[in-house]
Amino acid sequence: DVKVTQSSRYLVKRTGEKVFLECVQDMDHENMFWYRQDPGLGLRLIYFSYDVKMKEKGDIPEGYSVSREKKERFSLILESASTNQTSMYLCASSSSTSGHGYTFGSGTRLTVV
Amino acid sequence: GQNIDQPTEMTATEGAIVQINCTYQTSGFNGLFWYQQHAGEAPTFLSYNVLDGLEEKGRFSSFLSRSKGYSYLLLKELQMKDSASYLCAVRDGSNDYKLSFGAGTTVTVRA
Repeated sequence: DVKVTQSSRYLVKRTGEKVFLECVQDMDHENMFWYRQDPGLGLRLIYFSYDVKMKEKGDIPEGYSVSREKKERFSLILESASTNQTSMYLCASSSSTSGHGYTFGSGTRLTVV
Repeated sequence: GQNIDQPTEMTATEGAIVQINCTYQTSGFNGLFWYQQHAGEAPTFLSYNVLDGLEEKGRFSSFLSRSKGYSYLLLKELQMKDSASYLCAVRDGSNDYKLSFGAGTTVTVRA
């Protein structure tokens, strides 16, 4: 069964900490995405990547950065966590040749205190 | 950018039919997706429309009208397990791989 795996299901961090959210996919997908999901706002795109060492800003990149050193791994970095970054973070991947959109990870619920 | 609208909540009775509408205004268009998301879980793929018309898949059907910027997801013979959030997402024609999502519709199925 194909999978997108996010390293943590729940995470509690302090304001100002540097936070790493990891995502690994085993489908050899070219494209990977990070979204945050908040009630009433839906999924909002933070960053995405179409290839190794490549990254593009999504709709809400401020306060975040990403790293894609290997095809299967896409990391989201909160440089200095703030309380307004408390959210559900979803990683997704897709194939450039597939018409069926994304495969999502199970999500990481991050609380910044 | 994309503007994607869908109702916030819907309630229906077990065995009934519910139709979830989605309207979109986009600079480009290259397909519309519906995902199901149970509370605390990841979204899972339900359907994909790129041409006008109805796509049927068991109890679920999805319709698209590109000229009207409109889609709906039809859930028939509702079951309690269909209680979930349903997400409408559009693939921007100018960028084949990125999806923009609506805020989601929470469907509650009552006995």
